[in-house]
Amino acid sequence: EVQLVESGGGLVQPGRSLRLSCAASGFTFGDYAMHWVRQAPGKGLEWVSGISWNSGGIGYADSVKGRFTISRDNANNFLYLQMNSLRDEDTALYYCAKDTTPGNWNGYMDVWGKGTTVTVFS
Amino acid sequence: DIQMTQSPSSLSASVGDRVTITCRTSQSINNYLNWYQQKPGKAPKLLIYAASSLQSGVPSRFSGSGSGTEFTLTISSLHPEDFATYYCQQSYSTPPYTFGQGTKLEIK
Repeated sequence: EVQLVESGGGLVQPGRSLRLSCAASGFTFGDYAMHWVRQAPGKGLEWVSGISWNSGGIGYADSVKGRFTISRDNANNFLYLQMNSLRDEDTALYYCAKDTTPGNWNGYMDVWGKGTTVTVFS
Repeated sequence: DIQMTQSPSSLSASVGDRVTITCRTSQSINNYLNWYQQKPGKAPKLLIYAASSLQSGVPSRFSGSGSGTEFTLTISSLHPEDFATYYCQQSYSTPPYTFGQGTKLEIK
């Protein structure tokens, strides 16, 4: 079964850091681009960041550029999101999601995790 | 960045109705437009990719059309399980891959 399981969320003060992890199983993780998408409470979806299968391509939303860093470990099937200088507006449920075609970066996602919650409070 | 405008933001309909949701983009994105369904407390589900291609396992009552800057998602005959929030998303060229603000489909 294809599965993505996020972890690492929690309560954090503004200006602090968190590192999210996403454990992938049931597919050849190293063949696929991966993404982080977030959803603030009661709000819509926001694409946050994506990374190509070989980490050669990386992109960020303007709202997180310079503060968040995406990375991956293909040997151990993990995706990460390092979040620094956190702000109140980063409070959200963070989903890890798989791109659709091996070897390509299509920018849309066919498998999603259940998400991990990040709450930034002062 | 490419801006997305979905309409309507909410919609009331009955089982068996035909429903259409529209998504407009601030610049031409060819057919790089995708549709997702999200139910409360659940992760989004990919319905349609590349404007009109049905994702595997998605019922054929869902269809997508459009190109350039205007796109539609149509549900030909609403089933009870279709009441959810629907999002469009563009995946044109380089990131960021923006989502529309969502359309909440409710039971009349």
